[in-house]
Amino acid sequence: EAQVTQNPRYLITVTGKKLTVTCSQNMNHEYMSWYRQDPGLGLRQIYYSMNVEVTDKGDVPEGYKVSRKEKRNFPLILESPSPNQTSLYFCASSFGDFGTGYTGELFFGEGSRLTVL
Amino acid sequence: DQQVKQNSPSLSVQEGRISILNCDYTNSMFDYFLWYKKYPAEGPTFLISISSIKDKNEDGRFTVFLNKSAKHLSLHIVPSQPGDSAVYFCAAPNAGGTSYGKLTFGQGTILTVHP
Repeated sequence: EAQVTQNPRYLITVTGKKLTVTCSQNMNHEYMSWYRQDPGLGLRQIYYSMNVEVTDKGDVPEGYKVSRKEKRNFPLILESPSPNQTSLYFCASSFGDFGTGYTGELFFGEGSRLTVL
Repeated sequence: DQQVKQNSPSLSVQEGRISILNCDYTNSMFDYFLWYKKYPAEGPTFLISISSIKDKNEDGRFTVFLNKSAKHLSLHIVPSQPGDSAVYFCAAPNAGGTSYGKLTFGQGTILTVHP
């Protein structure tokens, strides 16, 4: 089954304690990204990756790090979480850009709800 | 700067009636639009899209209309069913041709369809 898998689904942590949210896709997609969803703000992109070892900032990258060492995995790292990073996080993947016939469809994981106390 | 806006946080309709969800955008470079549906505890899933060369796209009960001069699009669901109750997001890929998968999302509209 084609899917994007995130872990953990739920996490409560404390300020300053480093954490990693993993993301894995089994569709051989080149492109992966992280979004956060907050009430009244929709989904905002944090970081994206166009391929292995190629990453770039999205709209709200502050406080986050990412890495893309393998095509299927794209972990999101919070080095020193703060309460304003309490949010619902989504990983997404797709084939690539419009030049390769991409139609804009992103495939999303089920989400990771993070609470930072 | 919110380039894609959904000004109605919620919409409530009766089963069998039409649901109309609206979306406005400010960036005239956007040339492709998508609607996503999101159920609680699940990730968003793609619903329907429209290219700027069209003004209408239909898929079963779902139709999206695009008015480029007004920078407005709408999603019509006819007839509405209780299973359509979800959050609906409109989105547009990065303006300028290639997107590299970045979508700019609206704030979302919560649709509730009452039996």
